[in-house]
Amino acid sequence: KAGVTQTPRYLIKTRGQQVTLSCSPISGHRSVSWYQQTPGQGLQFLFEYFSETQRNKGNFPGRFSGRQFSNSRSEMNVSTLELGDSALYLCASSPDGKETQYFGPGTRLLVL
Amino acid sequence: DQQVKQNSPSLSVQEGRISILNCDYTNSMFDYFLWYKKYPAEGPTFLISISSIKDKNEDGRFTVFLNKSAKHLSLHIVPSQPGDSAVYFCAASWGFQKLVFGTGTRLLVSP
Repeated sequence: KAGVTQTPRYLIKTRGQQVTLSCSPISGHRSVSWYQQTPGQGLQFLFEYFSETQRNKGNFPGRFSGRQFSNSRSEMNVSTLELGDSALYLCASSPDGKETQYFGPGTRLLVL
Repeated sequence: DQQVKQNSPSLSVQEGRISILNCDYTNSMFDYFLWYKKYPAEGPTFLISISSIKDKNEDGRFTVFLNKSAKHLSLHIVPSQPGDSAVYFCAASWGFQKLVFGTGTRLLVSP
């Protein structure tokens, strides 16, 4: 079974721009979660989607948003990028949100 | 408020010996605990998990112990191998899958 895939793997943007990251979960998994990893804050939860609905949300500003499609693929959008948004963005999937989460390779975002 | 803590930022062990990584948590609502291994610029790789109804779970060289009264879990790797060198994160959750991660422990296994 193929693992979680994320695209793109690397991205460079400038302040004020917006970005969309994509995540394809493991086949059959309906829960997709997003995390941000930075050296200063570690791994922090952004939000979780299940059956196209946001079920859980972390403590991030409204510039961070996401959605999930009927095939369980998910996108994350960050608007009005700030330097501090530079991070590794990780997507994880699980069958229905109660089991172990499996992570993708991440998207490395650099904001200049 | 750090709900999951890994107080040792690094650990060095010789090949063949036991590696013990520790994790403490404060939230008594957590009912599921996991250990992940991570290399730089890659996603975490799931290693082993334990439910709060158990106190031990084994998978090959990896064993996780949970002490609920002390709010403490540990990961034992026996025997340690150089390929085990990575950053190890413990994580905890309750209800619907909001994983809370510790800050990580860098394990170095030397030949």
